Amino acid sequence: GAVVSQHPSWVICKSGTSVKIECRSLDFQATTMFWYRQFPKQSLMLMATSNEGSKATYEQGVEKDKFLINHASLTLSTLTVTSAHPEDSSFYICSAFLIAGGSTDTQYFGPGTRLTVL
Amino acid sequence: AQTVTQSQPEMSVQEAETVTLSCTYDTSESDYYLFWYKQPPSRQMILVIRQEAYKQQNATENRFSVNFQKAAKSFSLKISDSQLGDAAMYFCASGRGGGSNYKLTFGKGTLLTVNP
Repeated sequence: GAVVSQHPSWVICKSGTSVKIECRSLDFQATTMFWYRQFPKQSLMLMATSNEGSKATYEQGVEKDKFLINHASLTLSTLTVTSAHPEDSSFYICSAFLIAGGSTDTQYFGPGTRLTVL
Repeated sequence: AQTVTQSQPEMSVQEAETVTLSCTYDTSESDYYLFWYKQPPSRQMILVIRQEAYKQQNATENRFSVNFQKAAKSFSLKISDSQLGDAAMYFCASGRGGGSNYKLTFGKGTLLTVNP
């Protein structure tokens, strides 16, 4: 149980185009999902918190107009990188927050999406 | 704000031996959780073990156990009988208690190599 998927796993796009990444909780409902960015050999950096039915909350320094987040259902959150540039190339990871009751609440992670902007 | 520090960028261990990965944290929260996540070469983040701060008993999961020293704000991970499949990047993380404010703060990670 507690499986999170991401699609696509790898995407290459041209500079100036937009790319959408999907994050799905397959066997549980998640009112809260998170989007992270990870540079090579570095830790995960939280970009934003995605809440079902409301606007996402962005971390300081993250451009909300560039990284559009939509949490349209209890099992799906999407991250759209708009007008992508080479500096947006990175590994993007989502997680879904499983509320199982108090001390067992846990984030489960998707397998990540590698974005390369040419 | 929360901070997590992993002072060991790399560690190595012989197969079947025991290794301990260090982690210290700082938080102003009274209700928080601590985690160890594993990231193998596939880059899939896998939960290894979790510890509720209000519990004094150290968490254990098979070959994995923690040494939680709340006053010292220390949360180390011990891997016993190390296996080749344990080779990965290990991240220590802290998180506030539940709800939409539940965010994880990660340390920089420790790369564990297991030698046959």
